[in-house]
Amino acid sequence: DAGVTQSPTHLIKTRGQHVTLRCSPISGHKSVSWYQQVLGQGPQFIFQYYEKEERGRGNFPDRFSARQFPNYSSELNVNALLLGDSALYLCASSFDRGRPKNIQYFGAGTRLSVL
Amino acid sequence: GQNIDQPTEMTATEGAIVQINCTYQTSGFNGLFWYQQHAGEAPTFLSYNVLDGLEEKGRFSSFLSRSKGYSYLLLKELQMKDSASYLCAVTDSNYQLIWGAGTKLIIKP
Repeated sequence: DAGVTQSPTHLIKTRGQHVTLRCSPISGHKSVSWYQQVLGQGPQFIFQYYEKEERGRGNFPDRFSARQFPNYSSELNVNALLLGDSALYLCASSFDRGRPKNIQYFGAGTRLSVL
Repeated sequence: GQNIDQPTEMTATEGAIVQINCTYQTSGFNGLFWYQQHAGEAPTFLSYNVLDGLEEKGRFSSFLSRSKGYSYLLLKELQMKDSASYLCAVTDSNYQLIWGAGTKLIIKP
């Protein structure tokens, strides 16, 4: 079975531009979470979607938005890019949410560089 | 606020044993995860603890003390491929994962 897939793998943008990152979860998984990881830091939670509804939001500005589609794939959108948005963006899928042992499986990530 | 602390970096010798500690203060607790992340790659699941005590899985073991807000990951018979960052993450009362900054483990021959 395919794992979590993310596209693109690398992306270079300039300040002020907009970017869309895509994620396909593991087959059968209904929950998708997005994280931002800066070099040398742990992942920072951005959003969680479950059954196409937003179920959690981290401390990120409104320039960040996301959605989940009927096939449970997801998009993360970032508007008005800033230099500080340069990071590895990770998508994680899990079968469920709201349960203690809800293991999240990560994709390889999209490395975004903002120049 | 919510806080998870781990040492930034540790060094150990191939074949030896290393213990990576994690302390946490979170709003609620629904379990603690350890993930391994090789440079430039995605985190991969290692272990999960929700009850006090030791969970053993091959060369890796994880311990939890909820009363102390403390966990450790124990790696035995270290191999060069164990060089990676080890991330501690706690599921809070909203079932969101709160992550530590990770411990970079360097294995020397």
